[in-house]
Amino acid sequence: AQKVTQAQTEISVVEKEDVTLDCVYETRDTTYYLFWYKQPPSGELVFLIRRNSFDEQNEISGRYSWNFQKSTSSFNFTITASQVVDSAVYFCALSEASENTGFQKLVFGTGTRLLVSP
Amino acid sequence: EAQVTQNPRYLITVTGKKLTVTCSQNMNHEYMSWYRQDPGLGLRQIYYSMNVEVTDKGDVPEGYKVSRKEKRNFPLILESPSPNQTSLYFCASSPRIRGNIQYFGAGTRLSVL
Repeated sequence: AQKVTQAQTEISVVEKEDVTLDCVYETRDTTYYLFWYKQPPSGELVFLIRRNSFDEQNEISGRYSWNFQKSTSSFNFTITASQVVDSAVYFCALSEASENTGFQKLVFGTGTRLLVSP
Repeated sequence: EAQVTQNPRYLITVTGKKLTVTCSQNMNHEYMSWYRQDPGLGLRQIYYSMNVEVTDKGDVPEGYKVSRKEKRNFPLILESPSPNQTSLYFCASSPRIRGNIQYFGAGTRLSVL
């Protein structure tokens, strides 16, 4: 069965610090997709990134970067020079798709709450 | 604007009083899903639909019903709500392509007294 583990329940940092949110996943499939979503205090879920299992290149988007390592089944998320607006709950999720039905199901981790103080 | 719209955003009800949470998307997506979010548990899938008239159970379907009579709408029905269904509910949609991004509604916070 699929499983996503976000061991860090809550992280507190001071503005401008770098912070890494860990995500470890389990799957038996060779084809799968990994996602990060952000949930700010307002409650909505905001898509951040998608990565497929065949693409292990790291990705950088502004202050955000992601490190995907299949060897350790991890998909970690780093925020460089954190800001107060980064305060949110961050969810890692794993998606597998059935060849027959095309159905894809997202399995979420339990989330990491990031608090960035001024 | 492409969006998933849920209503209501907030709802307080009493045990046993049937309620419906509506979900509508304007992106012509085939897939739609309902999730519930609880502290310490993340988001868990309740039901999903692959297309009109095609629905199936997710991980936590007990106490819920859904229907998909039109492509754009996927209502969540609680026939007899109980306090353990107090939660934050999200509707999501995506195209029927492997690995596609799921787009979420703004959420419905439900309290069952």
